[in-house]
Amino acid sequence: EIVLTQSPGTLSLSPGERATLSCRASQSVSSSYLAWYQQKPGQAPRLLIYGASSRATGIPDRFSGSGSGTDFTLTISRLEPEDFAVYYCQQYGSVLTFGGGTKVEIK
Amino acid sequence: EVQLVESGGGLVQPGGSLRLSCAASGFTFSSYSMNWVRQAPGKGLEWVSYISSSSSTIYYADSVKGRFTISRDNAKNSLYLQMNSLRDEDTAVYYCARTIAGYYYYYMDVWGKGTTVTVSS
Repeated sequence: EIVLTQSPGTLSLSPGERATLSCRASQSVSSSYLAWYQQKPGQAPRLLIYGASSRATGIPDRFSGSGSGTDFTLTISRLEPEDFAVYYCQQYGSVLTFGGGTKVEIK
Repeated sequence: EVQLVESGGGLVQPGGSLRLSCAASGFTFSSYSMNWVRQAPGKGLEWVSYISSSSSTIYYADSVKGRFTISRDNAKNSLYLQMNSLRDEDTAVYYCARTIAGYYYYYMDVWGKGTTVTVSS
């Protein structure tokens, strides 16, 4: 089973700043099968990025994904108030797994 | 509007059973694979089970294998999760999610709001 480790656990930033979230896999992951989700308190997860770098429908272009192999990154270019949330990466190899999440909080 | 609505959650004693349902609308349910994903209180997301569009392929997480059964009724646009021999650690919000599972991509693009399962004596 591939383990995804997300860092940092918590990111404290101000609106307008850039957020860089990391997702590291215990072994190589196909970029096609790497996705990112956003979850706000009391809500279901929302798909942001699939295929490591493709934005889902309706997702603003301030969200971007990159990476390959074992290292993937979600970047939010300029944080808006509604972007403060928890972010999860997900991969599908032989088993579907999620990272532990990164909380982006207001500084 | 594309929508998934879960139901069937509740309070159940350890060792008990519960059947979750997920009603789909606004899209051709029979064309999509589906997943169940759960989230224990204050914890992250955990994949539970997968079913292909025709029910020909089914997978379970090791943590629920032999206790949970996933199924679907395409005529009723519904997904189910039969949960038996429930344990304290099964306490969670259970989400159903529409899944794009193909050669090129694997992701969950539509999620329900979830239904809460509490296992406690």
